[in-house]
Amino acid sequence: DAKTTQPPSMDCAEGRAANLPCNHSTISGNEYVYWYRQIHSQGPQYIIHGLKNNETNEMASLIITEDRKSSTLILPHATLRDTAVYYCIVGYNDMRFGAGTRLTVKP
Amino acid sequence: SQTIHQWPATLVQPVGSPLSLECTVEGTSNPNLYWYRQAAGRGLQLLFYSVGIGQISSEVPQNLSASRPQDRQFILSSKKLLLSDSGFYLCAWSAGTYSYNSPLHFGNGTRLTVT
Repeated sequence: DAKTTQPPSMDCAEGRAANLPCNHSTISGNEYVYWYRQIHSQGPQYIIHGLKNNETNEMASLIITEDRKSSTLILPHATLRDTAVYYCIVGYNDMRFGAGTRLTVKP
Repeated sequence: SQTIHQWPATLVQPVGSPLSLECTVEGTSNPNLYWYRQAAGRGLQLLFYSVGIGQISSEVPQNLSASRPQDRQFILSSKKLLLSDSGFYLCAWSAGTYSYNSPLHFGNGTRLTVT
């Protein structure tokens, strides 16, 4: 079973920030938090990952709580092309995906 | 740079027929390799993963099997396909040495329809 829980769906207005939450209360040791997204009929695309510090790249920011039991993926200026299913996963070799969050960006 | 090749892109097979899907990775050594399956409208299900040649961890044995005959080659097989085997099959790799700090990189997938 996946070690993460995410809301099944979210909406966001185009141009606004999209904040996607993830709970991983059983995260342990040196497990990293990874975020991916999947656009229909394609393989998942890596977005960002982190251990305990906040991370930022050209696609998104990742905020991890101090106790590491939850995190938030932030898309600062969502576009229509960001509509996708977003997956948060933690693990070592056994990388299990949950159901993810279906983000719909609306004009 | 590293690349992952997965073929075929689409496949239609009758029930009871065998299956062989192949995945190869270039540009890296000793990768972790994964097979996932995604049924229509569902999330990704981890089927098998491998941390080295001949080392296969099975998540969903059923009628599927996996083999890793070479360092960068991962094969998914079945002796007799079931209707429920239809789905989108994805191969992925991550860097093996520091796998807890290495993201997954996915192939383009194989869309299998069992009729």
